[in-house]
Amino acid sequence: QSVLTQPPSASGTPGQRVTISCSGSSSNIGSNTVNWYQQLPGTAPKLLIYSNNQRPSGVPDRFSGSKSGTSASLAISGLQSEDEADYYCAAWDDSLNGKVFGTGTKVTVL
Amino acid sequence: QLQLQESGSGLVKPSQTLSLTCAVSGGSISSGGYSWSWIRQPPGKGLEWIGYIYHSGSTYYNPSLKSRVTISVDRSKNQFSLKLSSVTAADTAVYYCAGENVSDAFDIWGQGTMVTVSS
Repeated sequence: QSVLTQPPSASGTPGQRVTISCSGSSSNIGSNTVNWYQQLPGTAPKLLIYSNNQRPSGVPDRFSGSKSGTSASLAISGLQSEDEADYYCAAWDDSLNGKVFGTGTKVTVL
Repeated sequence: QLQLQESGSGLVKPSQTLSLTCAVSGGSISSGGYSWSWIRQPPGKGLEWIGYIYHSGSTYYNPSLKSRVTISVDRSKNQFSLKLSSVTAADTAVYYCAGENVSDAFDIWGQGTMVTVSS
């Protein structure tokens, strides 16, 4: 019942820049902040970006987030092999009165 | 540094109640203004928020699960719990407990525990 839409996959060669979109609506992204999570294979998700564009301590500055209207984006610059993972956006939804996650994007490093 | 660890039954029969506990270590469950959540991930699928309990004690649940979910806190044991009633095979998933900080982001996660619903 994901209400945030992401592309199922994205890919790039080492060193390239990859961008992942997250499309929502006025009740979620349009009125609340967006967070991004990275899930490496077989592990729990990890917070990557919070409050649209803030990086927690320890997250490389190759990762950046942005938001405009009812959409958000995660950019990975200087793509590395260890970035191969699933990425999820998330936001509060005022209509559902609950937290919603994106559909998830699998990033492959070619 | 707060850490979380899930525990509970890994196999639940259909129509029964799933019960999980998340132990908080490295600090008090009442510290830092954290809210405590449960999130699940069916095999090969994406993340689904189940609900959380606020530091004030208020609870918020996913509308699609609300009639079956109860999240509670036991501050004396520094842990919080999930109960999901009337389970079906669709409830088979890895269940994560997580802490949400004051910026509304899940910055602490347990390792996850697999729960299978099967007779």
